[in-house]
Amino acid sequence: GAGVSQSPSNKVTEKGKDVELRCDPISGHTALYWYRQSLGQGLEFLIYFQGNSAPDKSGLPSDRFSAERTGGSVSTLTIQRTQQEDSAVYLCASSPQGLGEAFFGQGTRLTVV
Amino acid sequence: EDQVTQSPEALRLQEGESSSLNCSYTVSGLRGLFWYRQDPGKGPEFLFTLYSAGEEKEKERLKATLTKKESFLHITAPKPEDSATYLCAADGSSNTGKLIFGQGTTLQVKP
Repeated sequence: GAGVSQSPSNKVTEKGKDVELRCDPISGHTALYWYRQSLGQGLEFLIYFQGNSAPDKSGLPSDRFSAERTGGSVSTLTIQRTQQEDSAVYLCASSPQGLGEAFFGQGTRLTVV
Repeated sequence: EDQVTQSPEALRLQEGESSSLNCSYTVSGLRGLFWYRQDPGKGPEFLFTLYSAGEEKEKERLKATLTKKESFLHITAPKPEDSATYLCAADGSSNTGKLIFGQGTTLQVKP
């Protein structure tokens, strides 16, 4: 079946603009995660969804970052008033109920100029 | 605080030269230790999950092992197509499936 799908693949935005990144998880996976991978850095956890609820938002770096999930499926990560330090690859992953392996999308490369 | 450390950062091997990658973890209540492969410009691809010390899993030229403090990814007779970054991650005390990743080991296999 289809894997985790993210869009867009690449996004270039001007500093101060808002951006929305989209994630379509594997059908039936109730757990969804957002991670960030900066150049030369490991993957950094941002937020976890179980269904439409976000019980763990501990990794969001500032209040400019927010995320939502609707219908237990698609999730959107929004970054407001983007800064250059937000430039990174944003990865989405899903897993069945938060147990076992998580499957990743190909990521969205965000560049803030 | 949960922590995962991988070594070496980079590894160059000749085709056929076997070696091991190390992943040390400090995680309370480990629920699983994961290995992923990441190719440039792509998302991590799942390889293995290990749940308890002494467990081993194999896939082609790769074998992953787990102790109470470390995991190893053994690569036997590697080929150039095994070149990638290998990521280790632990699912620990959060009870949410959130993964704590190491920095990765970038493997280059030369023909």
